[in-house]
Order: sequence, then C-alpha cells, then structure tokens
Amino acid sequence: DVKVTQSSRYLVKRTGEKVFLECVQDMDHENMFWYRQDPGLGLRLIYFSYDVKMKEKGDIPEGYSVSREKKERFSLILESASTNQTSMYLCASERQGANLNYGYTFGSGTRLTVV
Amino acid sequence: AQSVTQLDSQVPVFEEAPVELRCNYSSSVSVYLFWYVQYPNQGLQLLLKYLSGSTLVKGINGFEAEFNKSQTSFHLRKPSVHISDTAEYFCAVRNRDDKIIFGKGTRLHILP
Repeated sequence: DVKVTQSSRYLVKRTGEKVFLECVQDMDHENMFWYRQDPGLGLRLIYFSYDVKMKEKGDIPEGYSVSREKKERFSLILESASTNQTSMYLCASERQGANLNYGYTFGSGTRLTVV
Repeated sequence: AQSVTQLDSQVPVFEEAPVELRCNYSSSVSVYLFWYVQYPNQGLQLLLKYLSGSTLVKGINGFEAEFNKSQTSFHLRKPSVHISDTAEYFCAVRNRDDKIIFGKGTRLHILP
C-alpha cells in the first residue's frame, strides 16, 4: 500500500523554537505539498515542490521554509514558531503529469501546538 | 483561477437517511473534479474523481457524485448514511496551473 508518512502525529513546541515537520513518501512521486488546515479556512497551501532541490511558495509561505534534498522527503521548517502557527499540517504527494490524475495522496497530519 | 465553493459548512442527517453535499466550481474548458474525505484526526483520502466520460461517478463507501456542466456543480450523494460516515468532506478541482484547489469542507454529522 502506498504511503505518505508524517513523522509526528502531535507536537507541542514553545514560541521562538525552530520546528521541523518531516514528510516521507514511498511512491517515487515527483510532486510534494505542504498544507495547513484550520477550522473554517479549509486547506491552505504553504509550499510545494516538483523536483529535488526545487521549491515554490504557495498561498501562505510567510514564517515557513522547506527543504527537499531527496525525492522522497519534503521537510517543512518553522523558523521561529509563533502561536498563530498552531494548526494541523498535512503533507501530500502526487506523480507528475496531470493526465494521470490520480489525485493527491495525503499523510495522516501533524497537529502542532505552539505555546 | 479555478475556485470551489462548498455551500454548507455543516450538514446534520439522521442515520439511514440520504444525504447530498453540495459543491460548485468556477467554469473552465477542462475540468477535473475530486471529493476527499477526512475522518477525525486523520489525513484526507480520495473518495472519487471525475476526469471525463460518464457524469455519474461512483466512489468508495457507497458514495457517488454527479458532474453537471451547465450548473457547474459536482454534488456528492449517498442514499443511506451510517454513523461511520461522520467526517469532513472536501470538494476539489484541478487548477490551470495543475495544482488541486480545495473547498473549505463540509462537516457531516450523523444523528442516531
């Protein structure tokens, strides 16, 4: 069964800490995405990547950065965590080539609380 | 850019009753539409998708959706819901830049 694995289900961090959220997929997918999910706001795209060492800003990149050193791993970094970054974070991946249209495969999410 | 509107943020329905979750999208030449389901404390999983062909699409867990081009809608239906259908449901459309755009979700509450 294909998988997108997010390393932590729950995280509690202090304000100002540097936070790493890890995402690994075993499907050899080229495209990877980071979203945050908040009640009433749905899913908002933070960053995405279509290849190793490539990254593009999504709709809400402020306060975040990403790293993609290997095809299977896409890391989200909160440079200095703040309380307004308390949220559910979802990683997703997809094979390149929209004509395949399998849709995104999501990880189980990481619920981050910043105190 | 494409957009997706889910008209109801919450839908309560009695167990074994039918349900329809509404979704409208902004029009485009080519449309690829999806419904995802998110069970409590989990990620999203694909329920069904419309790419082309028959406008009635069947998905997992007895759900189906109908693509209506004239009304730019892609409503999700199930003839008889079960308590295990309690979840949040997201409609989505593939954008011109190939990214998938999600609606804000509809929370389905099943009443005993």
